[in-house]
Amino acid sequence: EIVLTQSPDTLSLSPGERATLSCRASQSVRNNYLGWYQQKPGQAPRLLIYDASTRAPGIPDRFSGSGSGTDFTLSISGLEAEDFAVYYCQQYGSGISPGTFGQGTKVDVK
Amino acid sequence: QVQLQESGPGLVKPSETLSLTCNVSGGSMSGYDWSWLRQPPGKGLEWVGYIHKSGGTNYSPPLKSRVTISIDAPESQFSLKLSSVTAADTAVYYCARGAWYIDHWGRGTLVTVSS
Repeated sequence: EIVLTQSPDTLSLSPGERATLSCRASQSVRNNYLGWYQQKPGQAPRLLIYDASTRAPGIPDRFSGSGSGTDFTLSISGLEAEDFAVYYCQQYGSGISPGTFGQGTKVDVK
Repeated sequence: QVQLQESGPGLVKPSETLSLTCNVSGGSMSGYDWSWLRQPPGKGLEWVGYIHKSGGTNYSPPLKSRVTISIDAPESQFSLKLSSVTAADTAVYYCARGAWYIDHWGRGTLVTVSS
């Protein structure tokens, strides 16, 4: 099973700043099948990025994903008030078992 | 726009079977895979399993011996059964569309395992 480790656990930033979130996999993620989700309190997660770098429909272009192999990054350029939330990375498509999630990174207001 | 809604008991006794149903509206179920995920209070996300468009299933290894996911496409529903539950199975359970990345989620339903 691929284990995903996200860093940092918490990121404290001010509105307007750039956020950079990391997701490291214990082994190479096949075809860069890596997604990112945003979750706010009391809500279901929302898909932001799939296949490492493709934005989901309706997602603002301040969200971008990059990386390959074992190291992936979610960047948020110019944090807005609604972006303060928990972010999860997820790998999928291994075919052996359902995908796995990282432990999450909380982006909160500094 | 497809919408998903979970339903089922919010309280289940230890050793009993947790049963949830997901109603899908606003779109056809055919041609898609369907999943169940869960999130213990204050913790991260865990994939329980999914049912492929072909009807095959794939379950999380730690849960595999206790999980059954089935589908009733004509009724626009799919279901989760988790047997022999313990307090560790207390979580918000989400039904969702997709078996790779998840593009549509239900709002989630809290299931508490307690006597």
